[in-house]
Amino acid sequence: KNEVEQSPQNLTAQEGEFITINCSYSVGISALHWLQQHPGGGIVSLFMLSSGKKKHGRLIATINIQEKHSSLHITASHPRDSAVYICALYSGGGADGLTFGKGTHLIIQP
Amino acid sequence: DSGVTQTPKHLITATGQRVTLRCSPRSGDLSVYWYQQSLDQGLQFLIQYYNGEERAKGNILERFSAQQFPDLHSELNLSSLELGDSALYFCASSASGDTGELFFGEGSRLTVL
Repeated sequence: KNEVEQSPQNLTAQEGEFITINCSYSVGISALHWLQQHPGGGIVSLFMLSSGKKKHGRLIATINIQEKHSSLHITASHPRDSAVYICALYSGGGADGLTFGKGTHLIIQP
Repeated sequence: DSGVTQTPKHLITATGQRVTLRCSPRSGDLSVYWYQQSLDQGLQFLIQYYNGEERAKGNILERFSAQQFPDLHSELNLSSLELGDSALYFCASSASGDTGELFFGEGSRLTVL
């Protein structure tokens, strides 16, 4: 079973700060998802990565397959970025669904 | 708007009862996934259907069952409900059988009293 560790569990920062959220896992994967969940409960998929780096607006996600580690970065953070960020692993093969991290609670203060 | 529709949004019922949650996937998506999110367990994968067939199974209890219909909508049936079944139930869809980009519904919040 793949173990997923997210850090930090909670993060409070000031508007404009550069934010990094980390995700480490124990077993090789086919893909990793970063998800965002706002206080209302809805979940939005931000990225799906199998290698390298992806960028969308102020969000950047990277993955290092050899080190079994991924990071989500937020540049020029804004209060609307306040949410829970969850990494989820897909091991591949079609037999299993996603394995989820416990999430990082991010609060951006104005 | 993800294009995935879940009903009902909220549901309150009593222990021992049975409920059905419904999910309509994004147009053209063949895969439907069901997830449970509870305060103590976090998000857990329950089950996946692809084009009408069960494709992957996760931590789904025997009291729970699901199916995907020919029009690709899916239903999750929860029976003999217990207090611990209170949770948010999410449906997601994707175009392929292997997990590609996922599109989540807004969730169905189930409260068992």
